Amino acid sequence: DARVTQTPRHKVTEMGQEVTMRCQPILGHNTVFWYRQTMMQGLELLAYFRNRAPLDDSGMPKDRFSAEMPDATLATLKIQPSEPRDSAVYFCASGLGGDNPYGYTFGSGTRLTVV
Amino acid sequence: LAKTTQPISMDSYEGQEVNITCSHNNIATNDYITWYQQFPSQGPRFIIQGYKTKVTNEVASLFIPADRKSSTLSLPRVSLSDTAVYYCLVGLDTNAGKSTFGDGTTLTVKP
Repeated sequence: DARVTQTPRHKVTEMGQEVTMRCQPILGHNTVFWYRQTMMQGLELLAYFRNRAPLDDSGMPKDRFSAEMPDATLATLKIQPSEPRDSAVYFCASGLGGDNPYGYTFGSGTRLTVV
Repeated sequence: LAKTTQPISMDSYEGQEVNITCSHNNIATNDYITWYQQFPSQGPRFIIQGYKTKVTNEVASLFIPADRKSSTLSLPRVSLSDTAVYYCLVGLDTNAGKSTFGDGTTLTVKP
């Protein structure tokens, strides 16, 4: 089965450090999402792209978070500077845009701990 | 965005059929209804999507009444491995990120 690959799987960093998370969407998928999951807030949409163009990043703290798709095979989510409240699992998902019946495929996530 | 309401938790036993209902009273005309399953330490996994009436695939069925203000995910003959959190999503363009994950329903299947 095709997979969405996220790296790293785990990251522990100190407050104030820059964190970069990477996602390789499934080949041919034109829509990519970034979600964050915490016990308190559940799954929150941070940003999503279609054909590499950002469509919505209203869920993302703009002062410290940035999301990009430098090419069709790579999506990045960067936090600078990181804070303890950013500790969460970050998921990337990809799929075909539009009302297709197959939904989206999620990666295994990056578990971020900021100390 | 259409707000969804699901039971927080449900218990079942192996071999039983499980029905999880989601309420979405302000669903819009073009909204689709999508269900995802999530196991601990994994990302959500797409189960099924529908617009009206009934949709069935190899793992589940989705029942949507005519008014579309609710939907029911039906899991036939559950096993212990179906223990997971199940999310219902409703959105104008479900596949464009306009949907919001709610709190989900934690299904626990017992032996």
